[in-house]
Amino acid sequence: DQQVKQNSPSLSVQEGRISILNCDYTNSMFDYFLWYKKYPAEGPTFLISISSIKDKNEDGRFTVFLNKSAKHLSLHIVPSQPGDSAVYFCAASSGGSNYKLTFGKGTLLTVNP
Amino acid sequence: EADIYQTPRYLVIGTGKKITLECSQTMGHDKMYWYQQDPGMELHLIHYSYGVNSTEKGDLSSESTVSRIRTEHFPLTLESARPSHTSQYLCASRGDRGGIEAFFGQGTRLTVV
Repeated sequence: DQQVKQNSPSLSVQEGRISILNCDYTNSMFDYFLWYKKYPAEGPTFLISISSIKDKNEDGRFTVFLNKSAKHLSLHIVPSQPGDSAVYFCAASSGGSNYKLTFGKGTLLTVNP
Repeated sequence: EADIYQTPRYLVIGTGKKITLECSQTMGHDKMYWYQQDPGMELHLIHYSYGVNSTEKGDLSSESTVSRIRTEHFPLTLESARPSHTSQYLCASRGDRGGIEAFFGQGTRLTVV
């Protein structure tokens, strides 16, 4: 049973516009959520995280929003750039000393020039 | 910047061969992880370690084994490779200080023919 779900396999946006990537989760025990970016044949690169006690975290062009009641989070990229084209993975951790990350299936973002 | 390295990056090997995928990190992290990922799918945790001489199986059953004799080194071994083992293998580490994120190596793309 998937605990972290990314229901959109792909997303295509124009350069300069906003990209919104969505993620849903089922486990109420998750206390941190992370977004990773991955190019083919490369390892994931960390982008941004958010604690479950917050509802927004911003870092440059990247903002993550968390809606705990809906068990939903989203990553906003503004403005989108062609170099942002990659697979984006949502991940969740239950934290503490038994830290493990649970990943979604990823969303392929294509930013068109 | 993450200092975690995986070798080889690519490996094509015949059925029945024994292989070892190497993973090393220079950050002194106690926690290390092996994930397996197929295209379009989530990263599945197959092994993890919280320190020297500590190894545990992950959420996805795997025929591979791991060892943790030194903090910086977490190799993964397949005694007899099969075509079903064809996948990308990703190693990660995380320290107890600093951010919540885990750092990933560049991965090993394994093809068993």
